[in-house]
Amino acid sequence: DAGITQSPRHKVTETGTPVTLRCHQTENHRYMYWYRQDPGHGLRLIHYSYGVKDTDKGEVSDGYSVSRSKTEDFLLTLESATSSQTSVYFCATGTDNSPLHFGNGTRLTVT
Amino acid sequence: AQTVTQSQPEMSVQEAETVTLSCTYDTSESDYYLFWYKQPPSRQMILVIRQEAYKQQNATENRFSVNFQKAAKSFSLKISDSQLGDAAMYFCAYIDYGGSQGNLIFGKGTKLSVKP
Repeated sequence: DAGITQSPRHKVTETGTPVTLRCHQTENHRYMYWYRQDPGHGLRLIHYSYGVKDTDKGEVSDGYSVSRSKTEDFLLTLESATSSQTSVYFCATGTDNSPLHFGNGTRLTVT
Repeated sequence: AQTVTQSQPEMSVQEAETVTLSCTYDTSESDYYLFWYKQPPSRQMILVIRQEAYKQQNATENRFSVNFQKAAKSFSLKISDSQLGDAAMYFCAYIDYGGSQGNLIFGKGTKLSVKP
């Protein structure tokens, strides 16, 4: 597959703490995405990137920020975690006119 | 805005039989792609099959095939000779490159159970 590594795999944190999730790819794909998956909602786009330092908001971006300082890394930050951000987070990568490839997900629990 | 609808939250099939999962979508674009992804309990998202809108021929991958009806905006997945390993969540997804930088839009999923 596209060689996508998400870290951590699981995380439990307390309300109000900052959290950063990391996505690392080895395929030099131009596009990178962060999705969240919740029961009954499928996957929803949080933020995406179309190049180094080029990012934009998705459908559910409130409370999240991203950064992409290198082609291979895309970071998702929750500035102050809330219980509503308990979810499974997926990173995906892609190129023009190609299907997206997904990482294995990060399960985040905010207590 | 583009939307994807999967009207069957859950489906069940007997091993070795055939099942069809439904998906409809809405778009004003003429050039786009449709996908079916499988998500087993391991949580991994696995691409099952891909259909390009400008191709009239329905895509096929081994036991998996689609019925793509562009005018009706319908994209169903048929699984033949179902196996226990087919049990999973299945997501229908849409993508175009018109202006959203290739954002993949998902349906809410269909949970498929396979009975031995």
